[in-house]
Amino acid sequence: DTAVSQTPKYLVTQMGNDKSIKCEQNLGHDTMYWYKQDSKKFLKIMFSYNNKELIINETVPNRFSPKSPDKAHLNLHINSLELGDSAVYFCASSQDKYGENTGELFFGEGSRLTVL
Amino acid sequence: EDQVTQSPEALRLQEGESSSLNCSYTVSGLRGLFWYRQDPGKGPEFLFTLYSAGEEKEKERLKATLTKKESFLHITAPKPEDSATYLCAVRGGSQGNLIFGKGTKLSVKP
Repeated sequence: DTAVSQTPKYLVTQMGNDKSIKCEQNLGHDTMYWYKQDSKKFLKIMFSYNNKELIINETVPNRFSPKSPDKAHLNLHINSLELGDSAVYFCASSQDKYGENTGELFFGEGSRLTVL
Repeated sequence: EDQVTQSPEALRLQEGESSSLNCSYTVSGLRGLFWYRQDPGKGPEFLFTLYSAGEEKEKERLKATLTKKESFLHITAPKPEDSATYLCAVRGGSQGNLIFGKGTKLSVKP
């Protein structure tokens, strides 16, 4: 049974479109994250939610909007897609805020977004 | 600015050939250094947490160590299944989120 699952795994779309990526965790964790891994392989945090509340909102364009309907789900909606949005987006979860106690984040397998 | 630099970018070893990966960092108020392993097409998988200089953690053929400015991931007698990208991350700053390095891509040939 997959701990952190994301869908879709691959997404190819045209510039200007709107798309969503869904994430679900069955670990009972309180905190969920969205990370972006660009072509240079840097993994950078975008958002963090603790118990459905936004904790971290790094400097990302407001075209990106996270939504957490409950603490097991954190979806990412992207409006007006641009070429530079092409990347792999990872969802993750941790038992506590920021993985404070152990630093252990559980990552999904990633969603590769390609904007043409 | 908080920063994590990993070297080398890529490392090729023969099976059984021990080596080390380096992670140097600058962060205001370190609150932990973390090692992750990432296989192609997968998300990172947690390996270790280190909190203070002098601390060491071991898991099978891997040993992580920490000084005030850097961390090393020592791989003893590696096997082909150790091939992966190894990511280092630190937690610091006001918000405490993890800051990742670019990783070291390790290839172990039989």
